[in-house]
Amino acid sequence: SQTIHQWPATLVQPVGSPLSLECTVEGTSNPNLYWYRQAAGRGLQLLFYSVGIGQISSEVPQNLSASRPQDWQFILSSKKLLLSDSGFYLCAWRQGAEFKGSEQYFGPGTRLTVT
Amino acid sequence: QQQVKQSPQSLIVQKGGISIINCAYENTAFDYFPWYQQFPGKGPALLIAIRPDVSEKKEGRFTISFNKSAKQFSLHIMDSQPGDSATYFCAASMTMNYGGSQGNLIFGKGTKLSVKP
Repeated sequence: SQTIHQWPATLVQPVGSPLSLECTVEGTSNPNLYWYRQAAGRGLQLLFYSVGIGQISSEVPQNLSASRPQDWQFILSSKKLLLSDSGFYLCAWRQGAEFKGSEQYFGPGTRLTVT
Repeated sequence: QQQVKQSPQSLIVQKGGISIINCAYENTAFDYFPWYQQFPGKGPALLIAIRPDVSEKKEGRFTISFNKSAKQFSLHIMDSQPGDSATYFCAASMTMNYGGSQGNLIFGKGTKLSVKP
């Protein structure tokens, strides 16, 4: 069966510090991977998605970047955090294009607080 | 045209009652409509999904009703329980454009459901 992991679960970082959040998926190959941000009590904002290694599409211009160094690994980064980067960061996966899978599954999330 | 409009924003239902959440879309190319359930501090969990070739899908106490001509779909929670208290998101996507941005899920803004004991 497939599982998705995110770490850390919670993170408190000062303004101006760097960020690295990691997401890994097990039990599937060539998945589509997604990063979302959810502000407190708000909806889901798609930040980045990836259809393969090294292939990143950005949905919203911002202070963040994403990378996919391995088929099963998706990383969200920032060089200098802003207060507005605080939120609940969610990683998600869908089966790769060759399966035309529709179901999308979310990870447990990372709560980021920028102080 | 890419929006999915969800209502109400919040909903309070008595235990044993029926909870109904509605979503509307504009893009007739959407062909996959899932609902997600999210508890505080957790990631959204896929609850139930429907495709336009059927008008209704039921899984336990959860039912999706789909009206293709009206471009609307709704989630019905029968015999609502306090444990159903969560935020619910509807979504839509175009599987024919899978792999492109158009194939990504478009989410509604969510409905916070509270079931009173």
